[in-house]
Amino acid sequence: EAGVAQSPRYKIIEKRQSVAFWCNPISGHATLYWYQQILGQGPKLLIQFQNNGVVDDSQLPKDRFSAERLKGVDSTLKIQPAKLEDSAVYLCASSTRTSGVSYNEQFFGPGTRLTVL
Amino acid sequence: LAKTTQPISMDSYEGQEVNITCSHNNIATNDYITWYQQFPSQGPRFIIQGYKTKVTNEVASLFIPADRKSSTLSLPRVSLSDTAVYYCLVGGADTDKLIFGTGTRLQVFP
Repeated sequence: EAGVAQSPRYKIIEKRQSVAFWCNPISGHATLYWYQQILGQGPKLLIQFQNNGVVDDSQLPKDRFSAERLKGVDSTLKIQPAKLEDSAVYLCASSTRTSGVSYNEQFFGPGTRLTVL
Repeated sequence: LAKTTQPISMDSYEGQEVNITCSHNNIATNDYITWYQQFPSQGPRFIIQGYKTKVTNEVASLFIPADRKSSTLSLPRVSLSDTAVYYCLVGGADTDKLIFGTGTRLQVFP
């Protein structure tokens, strides 16, 4: 079974530029997550989708971050404009969780390492 | 969601058993305890999950006392490849939201 795919693996941009990350979850996984992991910290959830609807985006800085999951499969996360403090690894994860089902394991991709100069 | 506390780092030698304890004093009745492992330059990976008593799989064991206010991840006979960060998470059956702390950085020496 193929895992969660992410691209690019690395990205270097200057502040105020825009950047986009792509995620392809495990086939059949209804739920998709984007996390931000700053060096030395644990991952922080930015947004959670179930199919193509947003379940939780309470920690997404909506003035500069946006995400979409068209057709309930692939997802993109965009930052515009980027700030120095956005330097981090952006992780995508997916799970089989659907409404009313007990906790399910999340499968993480390798992440995209973003450096903002 | 319950907050967890775990040691920042631990050292061990190959072949030893490693026990990482996590404190979660405010765990709720329907909360599960889950452990994830993260290697450098990779995303976290699920290790084990439990609700009470003891759970064992091919990778680790999870010990949960009766009051469930703490849990211990046990890694038998660690190898160099077990060097990683280990996260303890607590969450309920009605949500799969994961709140990661800073984790425990395990360093295994030869």
